[in-house]
Amino acid sequence: EVQLLESGGGSVQPGGSLRLSCAASGFTFSSYVMSWVRQAPGKGLEWVSTNSGSGGSRYYGDSVKGRFTISRDNSKNTLYLQMNSLRAEDTARYYCARTHTRGYGGYDYDHWGQGTLVTVSS
Amino acid sequence: DIQMTQSPSTLSASVGDRVTITCRASQSISTWLAWYQQKPGKAPKLLIYKASSLESGVPSRFNGSGSGTEFTLTISSLQPDDFATYHCQQYNSYSSFGQGTKVEI
Repeated sequence: EVQLLESGGGSVQPGGSLRLSCAASGFTFSSYVMSWVRQAPGKGLEWVSTNSGSGGSRYYGDSVKGRFTISRDNSKNTLYLQMNSLRAEDTARYYCARTHTRGYGGYDYDHWGQGTLVTVSS
Repeated sequence: DIQMTQSPSTLSASVGDRVTITCRASQSISTWLAWYQQKPGKAPKLLIYKASSLESGVPSRFNGSGSGTEFTLTISSLQPDDFATYHCQQYNSYSSFGQGTKVEI
């Protein structure tokens, strides 16, 4: 059974940093492109970042580019999201998602974790 | 960036109703469109991918159609378990989602 378990969320002041983790099990982690998707309270979903299976290719949404860094450790079956210079608008539940099929320039997602909540507030 | 617009934002329906949700893209995305169902406090669940392909295990009452810039998700006969929020997602250029459609009683 595919399982994705996020951790690392919490409350942080504006300008602060957090590192999220996503522990994967039940599939060959290194074979899959993985992403982070977030959802602000009461809002829709927003793609944040995508990392290739090897970790060598990384893609970011405009709202986080230059502040967030995605990475992975395939020996630990874990995906990470380093978030720096956090802003109030980064407040959201952050989901780790496994990609399903590849489109022309992106992916859809067939498995999601339950998410970890990040709150940025003074 | 490709903007995705869903309509309506909220839909009131009854068990047994035929329900249609529309998703429009700001530019052509071919058929690179997915639909997700999300219940309160839960992660999204993939229903439809590549505009019309039914994900494994999803009931056949869910149907997706469309191409280019206009897409629809139809639930042929609404069941109690279907009251939820539905999101469309384009994956033609990176990824972006619609704002969601809440299906309520």
